[in-house]
Amino acid sequence: DIQMTQSPSTLSASVGDRVTITCRASQNIRNWLAWYQQKPGKAPEVLIYEASSLESGVPSRFSGTGYGTEFTLTISSLDPDDCATYYCQQYDDYPWTFGQGTKVEIK
Amino acid sequence: EVQLVESGGGLVQPGGSLRLSCTASGFTFSNFEMNWVRQSPGQGLEWISNITVSGSSTLYAASVKGRFTISRDNAKNSLFLQMNDLRAEDTALYYCASGRHCINGKCNKAAYFQKWGPGTLVIVSS
Repeated sequence: DIQMTQSPSTLSASVGDRVTITCRASQNIRNWLAWYQQKPGKAPEVLIYEASSLESGVPSRFSGTGYGTEFTLTISSLDPDDCATYYCQQYDDYPWTFGQGTKVEIK
Repeated sequence: EVQLVESGGGLVQPGGSLRLSCTASGFTFSNFEMNWVRQSPGQGLEWISNITVSGSSTLYAASVKGRFTISRDNAKNSLFLQMNDLRAEDTALYYCASGRHCINGKCNKAAYFQKWGPGTLVIVSS
């Protein structure tokens, strides 16, 4: 199985800060990577697919980069509404696997 | 409005069975592969099963293979998960989620989970 490792596990930042989350795959997944945001008590929502494509309706402060085994999700200017847990997920090969999540908190 | 709504969760004893359902509306259900994804309390996300648009092919995570069966009824816009021999470690919130979009037998590569239901909670405990 492809292992997805996110870092950090938790981050605390101020409103307006630039925030970056990293996701590493245990093998080459090309650009078959998605990022999700999950707020407490809610289902995950996709933010980014194919590593860098912004899902319709998602604010432009979210962006994704990467190819192969290293990927990043960036929030250009942290908004209070961005308090959530973020997950990466590979869909290059079965079984599809998720990272363990990164919890983003506001200082 | 695109909607997925799961049902059928509940409390079941170890070794018991449960059948989850997911009803879709607001999109052409029969054009999408479908999945079940679960989340144990306070934990991360785990994909557990996928079914093709026709229902002719299915995939399972190792953790549920041989115990769970995914199926669908396109005429009723419904997805199902039959769960047998349930274990304590199956306790989780179960989500149905859309997968690849397929037209005339050809599917795109976009196997990420675009649409999600709110989930149904399964608790396995004596």
